[in-house]
Amino acid sequence: DTEVTQTPKHLVMGMTNKKSLKCEQHMGHRAMYWYKQKAKKPPELMFVYSYEKLSINESVPSRFSPECPNSSLLNLHLHALQPEDSALYLCASSQALTGFDETQYFGPGTRLLVL
Amino acid sequence: AQTVTQSQPEMSVQEAETVTLSCTYDTSENNYYLFWYKQPPSRQMILVIRQEAYKQQNATENRFSVNFQKAAKSFSLKISDSQLGDTAMYFCAFPGGSQGNLIFGKGTKLSVKP
Repeated sequence: DTEVTQTPKHLVMGMTNKKSLKCEQHMGHRAMYWYKQKAKKPPELMFVYSYEKLSINESVPSRFSPECPNSSLLNLHLHALQPEDSALYLCASSQALTGFDETQYFGPGTRLLVL
Repeated sequence: AQTVTQSQPEMSVQEAETVTLSCTYDTSENNYYLFWYKQPPSRQMILVIRQEAYKQQNATENRFSVNFQKAAKSFSLKISDSQLGDTAMYFCAFPGGSQGNLIFGKGTKLSVKP
């Protein structure tokens, strides 16, 4: 099973709202990722968790707050977003963050629209 | 800096024909993996094929195969017997980030025409 699930599929929020994106995998992977993707562009890495610890934060604004409650779950908390944050948010997981075999498996994404 | 370059922003191919998507990368590492991902309009990124750099044999997955030239740092994807469902963005990726995380090329938009 190489499934990564994400909820919700679509999200519309105002600039003053607080919302959360959720990601789950049951492959025993120890590295989990959040990406932001604009139309017709490659995914941009936001955060990486390795063994439930934040390993990489690609200078993401503080209005995005990641959380890894356990090895299977990854959340992205959203607060006071801007319209330019509208994008597809992808979650992925891999066995580990080793720099060698980084086969990542992606979820279906959450399409976010900020009004 | 380690980079991945896809020089073909868009390509089209007739159904049942063969098409090759190119990718070059730059690294000083000797042992690594390379990946091709497909993203259809439905948006989910799907792993198409991967290649281990220390293996000389090119990877093959059904109609998808790679031409891996390690010395030239080239990793092209060949799709044989193209099908309408192959229409998608294709991204080449390589674990060249600061902590071994993947970096992606800019993508090639492939359209398969009936």
